[in-house]
Parts: sequence; structure tokens; C-alpha cells
Amino acid sequence: DGGITQSPKYLFRKEGQNVTLSCEQNLNHDAMYWYRQDPGQGLRLIYYSQIVNDFQKGDIAEGYSVSREKKESFPLTVTSAQKNPTAFYLCASSIDSGFYGYTFGSGTRLTVV
Amino acid sequence: AQSVAQPEDQVNVAEGNPLTVKCTYSVSGNPYLFWYVQYPNRGLQFLLKYITGDNLVKGSYGFEAEFNKSQTSFHLKKPSALVSDSALYFCAVRDMDSNYQLIWGAGTKLIIKP
Repeated sequence: DGGITQSPKYLFRKEGQNVTLSCEQNLNHDAMYWYRQDPGQGLRLIYYSQIVNDFQKGDIAEGYSVSREKKESFPLTVTSAQKNPTAFYLCASSIDSGFYGYTFGSGTRLTVV
Repeated sequence: AQSVAQPEDQVNVAEGNPLTVKCTYSVSGNPYLFWYVQYPNRGLQFLLKYITGDNLVKGSYGFEAEFNKSQTSFHLKKPSALVSDSALYFCAVRDMDSNYQLIWGAGTKLIIKP
């Protein structure tokens, strides 16, 4: 079955560490997105990519970095510069820029310990 | 600027009663509208979308939504609520000004009481 796989499901980070969240899709979608969701809150866009080797900052990109070396993969790195990284992170993809909507992964819950 | 609003943080409905979750939008041109549902600790799941055509759109799990152009609304409805419908619901509109991304509402928590 086609879909988006996010891993790991749970991730714990020590202060000062960088961590990388994985997002892989086999839907042949061109566009991919990273969102952050805090408890009881809506979605805030971190980064998005509409094509391989190109990506744009979203509303809250500070302290995060991404790469898009392959169409299938869009990893997100949470750097030590992100002062409050504890959140639920969602990856999504779309066949184009959203005409048919987005397909979401199941999320990664990141906790700072 | 284009936007979408969900005016209710939470909606409480008794099981078996009809439910409505409200969404209003502001866009230039014709709106492309979506509803998604999120269960705890899960990703968002697509429910339905309006692109063009009939104002009443039918979707997954018995949900439907009514597009009202004059009121710029796209309310989500279900005739008879189930306890399992309890979840977080998001409305979204396609942003024609910003690379056609989806703009998301803040979400509405739906609680169905037995």
C-alpha cells in the first residue's frame, strides 16, 4: 500500500542535541511538508518542498533544517537552536500543491529530557 | 489575505444527535475546501473536499459538508453522532496566493457523549 512513513514514532532528545526525524513516501508525490503541532493546537508549517533539491521556509523554520535529495524522502533535523522542541511533528505530501489535498504520516512525538 | 476560521474550540454532542462543526473562509477566487480528522497521537485523515459542483459534499464515515458561497462557510455535518466520532477536526482552504498550499483552521475538538 502507498503511504507516508514517519519514524520513529517516539523520540527523546537531550539538551543540546540535534535529532533527525524521518519521512518517506511511496506515493510519487511531488510536494512534501513538515508541520509542528503543540498540545490542543493547530498545525504550524515548518518547511515545505515542491521539488527535489528545493525547499522553502514555513512560518516557524528557526531551529529546524531539512533536505530533499530524493523525491521520496524529506527528513527534518531539529537542531539545538530550537529552544522548545517538545511537540508532535507531522509530515505530509501532495501530488501537486494541494489540489487534491494532503496525505499525512502518523507523526513523531519528540520530547526533550 | 486568505484565511480559514473555526469559531468553536470544542463542540459537545450527545450520541445519536446531529452534529455540526463550523468553518468559514476568506479567499480570492473560487475556494478549494477540505475537512480532515485527527484521532489522538495520529496523523490527519482526509474526510472530504469541495472543488466545484454540488454544494453538499459527502465524505468518509457518514460525514458531509455544506458549501455556502454567500455565507463563505463550509460546515461539517453528520445526521447521527457516534462516540467514535470524538476527535479533532480541521478545516483547510487552498491558498491561491502562496504556492497553492493548504491554509489550516485551528481545529475543533468534537466530544460525543454516550
